[in-house]
Amino acid sequence: QKEVEQNSGPLSVPEGAIASLNCTYSDRGSQSFFWYRQYSGKSPELIMFIYSNGDKEDGRFTAQLNKASQYVSLLIRDSQPSDSATYLCAVNRGFGNEKLTFGTGTRLTIIP
Amino acid sequence: ETGVTQTPRHLVMGMTNKKSLKCEQHLGHNAMYWYKQSAKKPLELMFVYSLEERVENNSVPSRFSPECPNSSHLFLHLHTLQPEDSALYLCASSQEFKVSPTGELFFGEGSRLTVL
Repeated sequence: QKEVEQNSGPLSVPEGAIASLNCTYSDRGSQSFFWYRQYSGKSPELIMFIYSNGDKEDGRFTAQLNKASQYVSLLIRDSQPSDSATYLCAVNRGFGNEKLTFGTGTRLTIIP
Repeated sequence: ETGVTQTPRHLVMGMTNKKSLKCEQHLGHNAMYWYKQSAKKPLELMFVYSLEERVENNSVPSRFSPECPNSSHLFLHLHTLQPEDSALYLCASSQEFKVSPTGELFFGEGSRLTVL
C-alpha cells in the first residue's frame, strides 16, 4: 500500500466549477498535511496546510481533513485556467519537516 | 533573485562521469534538502541538512554524495550513476528542520539529470 495515495488524473474541470482533489494516507500517526501546487516545468509551492480535523479555508481554496478516515482533500472554488497544474499531497508524522511523504500528484486541467 | 537557485538546470552525463549539482538559498533558512522527482513516482527525500549537519540520509546509494559547506549552499556530487538515476533533482530549504510553524518547503526549480 502506498503511504500517500492520489489519483494521478488527469482531472478535467470546467472553468468556474469546483475542483475536488483527494488524498488518502496509510500512517495513522500523521499529524500535518500539506498541498503543494506544481506547474509544468516548475518547482512545487505550498498552497495550504492543515493540522486539525475539519475545514480550513484560504481564498478560493479549502482543505478538508478527516483523520478517522485518513483522508485529506483540497477544493478549489471558481476554478480558473491558471489553476491547471499538478497538485501534490504531503503528510508528516510531526509538525515540522522531519519527513514529508509525498503522493504522486493529481494533474488538474481547467477547461475554459 | 529567486529564493532557491539550482545549477545547472539540465545535465547530461555518462555513467563514468563525475559531476555536481549546486543549490543556493537566499532566504536565511537553516535546513536544506535534496529530493528526487521521477515520472509517475512521488517526490523522494534523499538528504536533509540542518545547520550544515546531515540529519537524514534515506538509504541513498553512495554514488550520490551530498555536501553542505554552510547553511546557504548545498551540493550533490554524482559519480558512476546509472540510467535509472535520470530524474529531476530538487533542492529545498525551510526555516528550521524539526520545528516549523507551517512545515513549508521552498523549492528550487530543479536540475534535470539524464544519465546515458
